[in-house]
Amino acid sequence: DAKTTQPPSMDCAEGRAANLPCNHSTISGNEYVYWYRQIHSQGPQYIIHGLKNNETNEMASLIITEDRKSSTLILPHATLRDTAVYYCIAANQAGTALIFGKGTTLSVSS
Amino acid sequence: GAVVSQHPSRVICKSGTSVKIECRSLDFQATTMFWYRQFPKKSLMLMATSNEGSKATYEQGVEKDKFLINHASLTLSTLTVTSAHPEDSSFYICSARKQGQPRDYGYTFGSGTRLTVV
Repeated sequence: DAKTTQPPSMDCAEGRAANLPCNHSTISGNEYVYWYRQIHSQGPQYIIHGLKNNETNEMASLIITEDRKSSTLILPHATLRDTAVYYCIAANQAGTALIFGKGTTLSVSS
Repeated sequence: GAVVSQHPSRVICKSGTSVKIECRSLDFQATTMFWYRQFPKKSLMLMATSNEGSKATYEQGVEKDKFLINHASLTLSTLTVTSAHPEDSSFYICSARKQGQPRDYGYTFGSGTRLTVV
């Protein structure tokens, strides 16, 4: 699986958009970009995933660059409950395990 | 949806005893489940891949005789920490994947088990 690189931490004001970047320059053509988050002492929560096209769901939007070497997770209106560690993972659809990096600790403050 | 239930959420055991953790897929069948462990302020580390009806595949450095995995049905995998020691204290998390129509739900994770060995 391709390695991903994320900033270790980010801050965001409550109510503002949180834009979390992820670099995956070695991603292969059949690898998807998955985003998960983990709130303290809980299991990771699925947010969104995509292959090429931008994706949006009720939680977030995923913007993938045309060359697929990077992506951005957007939380449109961050709340205090969005404070968590966010993981960006590149993985194929073969059903193998997700491999977690260090992620980005997002702190949302009022 | 895709729900994975993990039990217990917390367990304290004495050194030298064994502890069993259960992972169930509630609304789908999972031929494959994954087990992770997580130390404080660290990321999740894959321990093993659990395959229904066959032996688990362990990651390098994970002792298969210490961390026994059984995947006897399509909805249940168990992780048994045998002869637990304080250094086995950790957060253990399982995961399974639900695929298919109408959408790919991706990988779903259990809520984790906090194991403390005293």
